Amino acid sequence: DVKVTQSSRYLVKRTGEKVFLECVQDMDHENMFWYRQDPGLGLRLIYFSYDVKMKEKGDIPEGYSVSREKKERFSLILESASTNQTSMYLCASSSQGAGGNTIYFGEGSWLTVV
Amino acid sequence: SQQGEEDPQALSIQEGENATMNCSYKTSINNLQWYRQNSGRGLVHLILIRSNEREKHSGRLRVTLDTSKKSSSLLITASRAADTASYFCATDLNDYKLSFGAGTTVTVRA
Repeated sequence: DVKVTQSSRYLVKRTGEKVFLECVQDMDHENMFWYRQDPGLGLRLIYFSYDVKMKEKGDIPEGYSVSREKKERFSLILESASTNQTSMYLCASSSQGAGGNTIYFGEGSWLTVV
Repeated sequence: SQQGEEDPQALSIQEGENATMNCSYKTSINNLQWYRQNSGRGLVHLILIRSNEREKHSGRLRVTLDTSKKSSSLLITASRAADTASYFCATDLNDYKLSFGAGTTVTVRA
């Protein structure tokens, strides 16, 4: 069965802390994505990666960075967490292009920055 | 940038009734997808319709696509309590990026 696993479901961090959100997929997918979801705003793309060590900015990359050292793992990094980064973060993966293929999502990570 | 917009924002129906929600988008697409999200969970893919298709069915789901109007609809027939969820349309901006709308929240009352 297809699986995208986000290591942390709920996190509470302090302002200024460095935060790592980890995501692993077991489907050998080329593409991986990080979205954030806020009420009324839907899903917004932060970063995506189409290959190991490759990354592209999405719509809202400011304040975030990513790392993809292995094909199955895609990490989202908040260099210095701020309260406006309190949100639900969703990792996803797909094979080849996302447009014509199903995207598989993880269960989400709820991050609260205090 | 959000390409798709769902309408209505929220929908409440009785079990057994049909639920219809719409998605409008701004620029030409190759594909449009619908996803479901149960409260506090990740999104689950429901159906993909390509730009050269007009209608697609999957179980109790029926999706239509009108590229001339840049709109799509999702119909859930004979709704059940388990259909209570948020539904999102997603359009492809390019080969890698999907743009999601803000979603329609559907509540099915017993």
